[in-house]
Formats: sequence, C-alpha cells, structure tokens
Amino acid sequence: GQQLNQSPQSMFIQEGEDVSMNCTSSSIFNTWLWYKQDPGEGPVLLIALYKAGELTSNGRLTAQFGITRKDSFLNISASIPSDVGIYFCAGQLTGFQKLVFGTGTRLLVSP
Amino acid sequence: GAVVSQHPSWVICKSGTSVKIECRSLDFQATTMFWYRQFPKQSLMLMATSNEGSKATYEQGVEKDKFLINHASLTLSTLTVTSAHPEDSSFYICSAAGHGSYNEQFFGPGTRLTVL
Repeated sequence: GQQLNQSPQSMFIQEGEDVSMNCTSSSIFNTWLWYKQDPGEGPVLLIALYKAGELTSNGRLTAQFGITRKDSFLNISASIPSDVGIYFCAGQLTGFQKLVFGTGTRLLVSP
Repeated sequence: GAVVSQHPSWVICKSGTSVKIECRSLDFQATTMFWYRQFPKQSLMLMATSNEGSKATYEQGVEKDKFLINHASLTLSTLTVTSAHPEDSSFYICSAAGHGSYNEQFFGPGTRLTVL
C-alpha cells in the first residue's frame, strides 16, 4: 500500500534539544495529521492541519502543512524524556476518511 | 476525547485456529471503522474500511476471506482472522470515526496476535 516518506528514520537527542522531522508525499493530501505512538499502544493524535500553508501549535509541538500540499513538518521544542516514541505523519483526502501513514520517526531522548 | 477499546489486548493461538478481535467506540457512534495491521518496527497499514451495516472495503492485497470484518452496530466492529498462521502474527489496531470526512479517527489500543 501507499506510504508517506518520513525523515529522519530515527533520532537520538539530549533532553532540552529541539527536534524537527518531516514527511513527504508524491501525491496531494488535503489534511495532514501527526500522531505519536508509544510501544504496544495505538497512535494518539498530536496535531491536525487542514489548510495549505497552515502553521499550528500544540504546546511544545508545532506543525506546518506545506504549500504544495505534498509535505508537512513537525517540530518539538525543548524535548523531555516523555517525548520518546514513534511519530507518524498521515495524509487524508477530502471526502475520504482513509489515512495513509508515514514510515515513522523514532525519537529517543536522553535525560 | 472519544474512547475506543479493543478486546483482547493480546492473544496467542495455535496455527489453523480462528481469532476474533473486537473494536468498540465507547462514547460515540462510529459510522466508519478502520482496521490496520502493524508489523514490528513498521508503520500502520490499512487493511479495510467498514461502514455500519454494509460490507467492508478491503485494501489491495488483503484477503477478504481470511480477514472477516463485521460492523453490525454503530459501536462495534469485529475482525476475525480465520485459519491463522504464524505470518499473521502482528499488532492489529482499529480506529473509529463519526459523521463527516473531517471527523477525527480515534484509535484503539491495539491487539497483539501471536500465532504459534
């Protein structure tokens, strides 16, 4: 099935550092979503983006919907140990609820 | 936020047996439920989409006779893995969405299936 490309694949950072990850697609999406998944659990929605160019924040998280509608990035500022997990982007087309997930970025934060 | 539960949270079965996994929306009516499969260190891959009262739509490459989906009510969908084999061992996750294409999909906690 279709997947979105995420980079980097994994990151190992120190507590307090900022993190940036992105997601690219060969096709257009009208909604971009960012999820976090902890081991053995389902993904939890972090941020939803509905408009090209939109920049949205949720606490220390900031995400942007690319102008071309083919990419998105997620920034985490001042990382803390509980930010550890796998971050997935997902794209969705208007009128369809089917989500296409990215390949994931594994984040490790050392205290 | 809305809550979606899955049961069981994990199951171990012998090869050749069938396993049923339930997905329930606890505090909202889910017109659409989705079933995903996630292999270790990989992303979620959509298996099928089910709308209440109608047949599920399966993604390419997913065998509909092997993965039986029933969405008989607005709060319950079931996935039955028939004649399970070791290669079916995976993490199965459901999500549920209400009316409208912009409604958020709420994910269940997942079910770990191990086939011996």
